[in-house]
Amino acid sequence: AQTVTQSQPEMSVQEAETVTLSCTYDTSESDYYLFWYKQPPSRQMILVIRQEAYKQQNATENRFSVNFQKAAKSFSLKISDSQLGDAAMYFCAYRLGSNFGNEKLTFGTGTRLTIIP
Amino acid sequence: DTAVSQTPKYLVTQMGNDKSIKCEQNLGHDTMYWYKQDSKKFLKIMFSYNNKELIINETVPNRFSPKSPDKAHLNLHINSLELGDSAVYFCASKGGTGTGGFGEKLFFGSGTQLSVL
Repeated sequence: AQTVTQSQPEMSVQEAETVTLSCTYDTSESDYYLFWYKQPPSRQMILVIRQEAYKQQNATENRFSVNFQKAAKSFSLKISDSQLGDAAMYFCAYRLGSNFGNEKLTFGTGTRLTIIP
Repeated sequence: DTAVSQTPKYLVTQMGNDKSIKCEQNLGHDTMYWYKQDSKKFLKIMFSYNNKELIINETVPNRFSPKSPDKAHLNLHINSLELGDSAVYFCASKGGTGTGGFGEKLFFGSGTQLSVL
């Protein structure tokens, strides 16, 4: 079974600084997708960034980038120039690369990120 | 327009009651899901439907019965509510083949916070 581990229950960072959230996963599959979701106090689940396992290039979305190490099964999220609005729970998630409705997102336990003004 | 809408947002009820949560998506997606987020913020899939057919049932008690009258709706009915059912329930949807590929992201509703007293 696939598992996703986030070893940092809480992190904090000064505004405008950079922070990295860790995620490791376990799978025997070669075709899969990895995601970071953000959940602010509003409860809404917001996709931050996604990575296809077959792509070697790390995904980036503005201030958000990932360090995807396939062999090590590691998928960390780097947030540059942290802003107050980045404060939220961050969930790492894994999904098999099928498309028949039988795939599912497996989530990590989350990291609560606090931004210090 | 909200892409995935859930009602109600909050539901407070007594143990033993039966309640329903409704979900509708206006994205034309084929696949819909129910996820449960417990008090420790852990998110776990409960069900998925693809074109009104049940695809995933993750060992959820049979007091929980999803119903998909059409591909835009996936409702969740819960019988004989128990204290342990208190959680936030998220509906989500995802496009199928030809709508963006296997990495198509999930669109989440804003969640229904269920409190069983």
